[in-house]
Amino acid sequence: RKEVEQDPGPFNVPEGATVAFNCTYSNSASQSFFWYRQDCRKEPKLLMSVYSSGNEDGRFTAQLNRASQYISLLIRDSKLSDSATYLCVVKGTGGGNKLTFGTGTQLKVEL
Amino acid sequence: GAVVSQHPSWVICKSGTSVKIECRSLDFQATTMFWYRQFPKQSLMLMATSNEGSKATYEQGVEKDKFLINHASLTLSTLTVTSAHPEDSSFYICSASGSDRGGWNEQFFGPGTRLTVL
Repeated sequence: RKEVEQDPGPFNVPEGATVAFNCTYSNSASQSFFWYRQDCRKEPKLLMSVYSSGNEDGRFTAQLNRASQYISLLIRDSKLSDSATYLCVVKGTGGGNKLTFGTGTQLKVEL
Repeated sequence: GAVVSQHPSWVICKSGTSVKIECRSLDFQATTMFWYRQFPKQSLMLMATSNEGSKATYEQGVEKDKFLINHASLTLSTLTVTSAHPEDSSFYICSASGSDRGGWNEQFFGPGTRLTVL
């Protein structure tokens, strides 16, 4: 079983739609959780951290359920510029500062 | 965020040659640098972690004699792919973290180097 699992997609949604991505992680000892965004042929960029209480940053909302080892990302009022691959990332699986990346979920926002 | 550069951006080489990739932290001291590899439609896979002035720690399955890592200063780490073969063709990305940047030892990623071995 992969340490971090995501549905690869692609998810094709119309502009303005609300879309949600899910992620599960296998190691209950994982400490920190993040969503990164990666554009084609580019490096990943931190989108937001994920906290147990849930957190929001503009149109983006992240949720963490430690009991179920489940992380989600909700994007409201999606824009064309949101088209990218969204990577679920877990820190602390191997100890220290190591990040473990999911394979990513591809989002395509269309007119 | 902090700035991390990588050079070259892309490289095409013949099988059997060695390729060196540089990763630099431009505006902070990177006590730790990480090297990742990403094959098409796959996740970033950590290859090794290097701390300035000490030997790199390689992940399971990564050949340390093939992927030579040097982290001689707080702003520079290099990855040398020795005797590259077509199966080494991939997107290589470095990241850097330092105690003076980022509240949780955030990793700042370089733009990546696309290696194609013919």
